Amino acid sequence: KQEVTQIPAALSVPEGENLVLNCSFTDSAIYNLQWFRQDPGKGLTSLLLIQSSQREQTSGRLNASLDKSSGRSTLYIAASQPGDSATYLCAGRGYNNNDMRFGAGTRLTVKP
Amino acid sequence: SQTIHQWPATLVQPVGSPLSLECTVEGTSNPNLYWYRQAAGRGLQLLFYSVGIGQISSEVPQNLSASRPQDRQFILSSKKLLLSDSGFYLCAWSGGHFSGNTIYFGEGSWLTVV
Repeated sequence: KQEVTQIPAALSVPEGENLVLNCSFTDSAIYNLQWFRQDPGKGLTSLLLIQSSQREQTSGRLNASLDKSSGRSTLYIAASQPGDSATYLCAGRGYNNNDMRFGAGTRLTVKP
Repeated sequence: SQTIHQWPATLVQPVGSPLSLECTVEGTSNPNLYWYRQAAGRGLQLLFYSVGIGQISSEVPQNLSASRPQDRQFILSSKKLLLSDSGFYLCAWSGGHFSGNTIYFGEGSWLTVV
């Protein structure tokens, strides 16, 4: 059964810094991996989706990578801003189950 | 465009009372539908998913049930709530397993059982 882990659980950086959030998964038979943003008390907003055949996806200041062989994905945020403060979750979708397995998230704080 | 609606946004219910959370999707047909629960500091736990009307798969044994009476309607229910049912419940939809589509979430429902 797929298990997804995110490290660190919390991260605080000064504004303008580049940062990397990590996601690891136990089952390399992954169909796709998705990164989400969650603001306090709100639902999840999809940021990037990487198919198993892809190695990375980019959207604005965000870049997500996927390495199936090592069971890892990273979310790179360039030139962080206070508005980036939120919890970031990754989720892996497997081939055999019609569902997604989520990590516990990384709570990011970008200080002005 | 597709939208997902989930209600109520917040509710406080006494132990032993029934529960009904509703979720509807607009702008798509035959979506996969999901109910998740999120506990503080933990990842999302899949409770139920559905690939079609009347087709419900349960991931964990619990005090809750789900139903899909219409193609774009997903309902989470309980006959008698427990204190442990408190949490943040999220409904979600996707375009299908092998399409590789993004999964979209509703705004969530905060349930407090007192």
